[in-house]
Amino acid sequence: SQQGEEDPQALSIQEGENATMNCSYKTSINNLQWYRQNSGRGLVHLILIRSNEREKHSGRLRVTLDTSKKSSSLLITASRAADTASYFCATASLNRDDKIIFGKGTRLHILP
Amino acid sequence: SAVISQKPSRDICQRGTSLTIQCQVDSQVTMMFWYRQQPGQSLTLIATANQGSEATYESGFVIDKFPISRPNLTFSTLTVSNMSPEDSSIYLCSVEGQGFYNEQFFGPGTRLTVL
Repeated sequence: SQQGEEDPQALSIQEGENATMNCSYKTSINNLQWYRQNSGRGLVHLILIRSNEREKHSGRLRVTLDTSKKSSSLLITASRAADTASYFCATASLNRDDKIIFGKGTRLHILP
Repeated sequence: SAVISQKPSRDICQRGTSLTIQCQVDSQVTMMFWYRQQPGQSLTLIATANQGSEATYESGFVIDKFPISRPNLTFSTLTVSNMSPEDSSIYLCSVEGQGFYNEQFFGPGTRLTVL
């Protein structure tokens, strides 16, 4: 079964605005990762946040993790047209069976 | 990060036939993963392939339908057997990064359409 649930399922914002996507999960995790997928192509790894971290930055990306609420958020600041894509969170469980489980994804559309 | 290629990038197949998808990595990796992404959906793990051992399949996936080979540390194949239109999906392979945490890197995917 899916571990992560992203919301919203779809998001449209104006170029230059910030986009926030959320991910909730059900069981204890080792880490949580965010991926981007453009138009049904391969996935690009964006950022990994460990279970003992609360916030992480990478360029225009900011990820937070709240293990007490079993949730994470991905913030993209100053959005650009090239950010139009689907974004997925994926969780790795504590038992380190090396599998990651993907959420359903958020489709982000940046309007010109 | 690893560089991963897949062949074919896309294919259109007839019902009842089989297609073998290849995944090549530019470095030796222990574990390779095969995922399916149905239209408009997220990724679902099909199986984990370790070199020199049988692949481990997830619930809902069986070896007869999705046989996997892993002949060496840089290559794997996934076969979609006796295809039906329900098998129309993007199939992606991935490998685990070299770090301790389960960061994965994905190939570009194979878009399969079954008529």
